[in-house]
Amino acid sequence: KAGVTQTPRYLIKTRGQQVTLSCSPISGHRSVSWYQQTPGQGLQFLFEYFSETQRNKGNFPGRFSGRQFSNSRSEMNVSTLELGDSALYLCASSLAGLNNEQFFGPGTRLTVL
Amino acid sequence: QQPVQSPQAVILREGEDAVINCSSSKALYSVHWYRQKHGEAPVFLMILLKGGEQKGHEKISASFNEKKQQSSLYLTASQLSYSGTYFCGTEAVLDSNYQLIWGAGTKLIIKP
Repeated sequence: KAGVTQTPRYLIKTRGQQVTLSCSPISGHRSVSWYQQTPGQGLQFLFEYFSETQRNKGNFPGRFSGRQFSNSRSEMNVSTLELGDSALYLCASSLAGLNNEQFFGPGTRLTVL
Repeated sequence: QQPVQSPQAVILREGEDAVINCSSSKALYSVHWYRQKHGEAPVFLMILLKGGEQKGHEKISASFNEKKQQSSLYLTASQLSYSGTYFCGTEAVLDSNYQLIWGAGTKLIIKP
C-alpha cells in the first residue's frame, strides 16, 4: 500500500508570494489533516478535511487555506507569505479522522526569504 | 493549552527503560502518542481513550490517568530503534472546532 505523498518536498519563496502544497493520502483514507512544524512552535494543527469538507480548523490566520478533492487529494495554500511561515508542512491521512491513527507524509520544507 | 511533556530529553543505554510523561491542565478525553525520527515523518504509536480503551501497537505500553490529567509512555528494554522525539497530542474543542494540541516533544537518545 503506497504511503502518503507530498509535493513538492522543498520550496523556496519570497515574502508576499503565495504557495500551494499538495498531499495525496493513502488509498481509501477520507480524512486529510495539515500540520505546521517549526523548531520554536513545534507541531501545530492547521485544519482537517473529510470528504471534501473542512471539518476542523486550528488557530491560523485566513492566509492559510485548503481544499480537498473528490479523490481525497488535498491542497494547502498560503497567501502573502511571511518569514515566519518558513516551516515543515506535514499532511496526514486517516480512515475516519483525527481520533484515529494518522499516517504522515514526508512533508514539504518551505523556506520564505 | 499545550500539554506539557517531561522530560524534555533523555539519554539511555540500550536495554534500559524510560518513561515519558504528558500532562494537561484540562480534562483529557484522549491522548495520542507519536514518534518522529530525525528527518522523518511522525509515526503513530498509540491512542488512549477516556474509559480505558487503547488503540495501538502491542509492543508499546502506556497509561492514562484521567483524574491526574496525564499519560505516560513506557519504553522497556530500549533498543537503538527507539531513538527519536516522542510527541503527545491531546484533544481541544475551540469554537466547535476539534483539534489536536501537541506537546513540545521528548527527545530520546539510545546509545549502544
